[in-house]
Amino acid sequence: DTAVSQTPKYLVTQMGNDKSIKCEQNLGHDTMYWYKQDSKKFLKIMFSYNNKELIINETVPNRFSPKSPDKAHLNLHINSLELGDSAVYFCASSQRALNLEETQYFGPGTRLLVL
Amino acid sequence: QQQVKQSPQSLIVQKGGISIINCAYENTAFDYFPWYQQFPGKGPALLIAIRPDVSEKKEGRFTISFNKSAKQFSLHIMDSQPGDSATYFCAATTSNTGKLIFGQGTTLQVKP
Repeated sequence: DTAVSQTPKYLVTQMGNDKSIKCEQNLGHDTMYWYKQDSKKFLKIMFSYNNKELIINETVPNRFSPKSPDKAHLNLHINSLELGDSAVYFCASSQRALNLEETQYFGPGTRLLVL
Repeated sequence: QQQVKQSPQSLIVQKGGISIINCAYENTAFDYFPWYQQFPGKGPALLIAIRPDVSEKKEGRFTISFNKSAKQFSLHIMDSQPGDSATYFCAATTSNTGKLIFGQGTTLQVKP
């Protein structure tokens, strides 16, 4: 069983469209994250939820809106997609938030290409 | 502002050699330093981590060396193998934020 899964794996869309990426973890963790990895492989945190509550909200355009229906799921909705949104988006989870030595477990990534 | 600077960007090592990746940080509030390994098409996975009160940590062929006064730490891969070919990220975090701040990544190629 995949610990952290994301759908879709690939997403190709036109500029201006709205799209969603879904993430599910079956590890029983309380905390989930969204990261963006750009074309140069730079990884940057976007959001984090702890037990459905937003705890990290980095400087991200408000076109990006995370939603956590329960602590096992964290979705990312992107409005009015722009060319610069093309990247790989990774979901991750950890047992607890704000615990220094918590391991974050990453999903396989969603490769988004905006044309 | 890049809080964690990583070098080199890419590294080619012969099988059996030592791979060394360096990182430097600015924020003295960082108090946990993990390294993540990412294979092509996969998500990053934790490899090894260290706290700043320890100068060295070894797990198998992987060793982290930590220099608190210089605000630098490095990953050494001994007896590098082709299966080690991947991108390696250093990272840093503080206990009150839970945010992992990543370095820029180093793409390692180990030649047979």
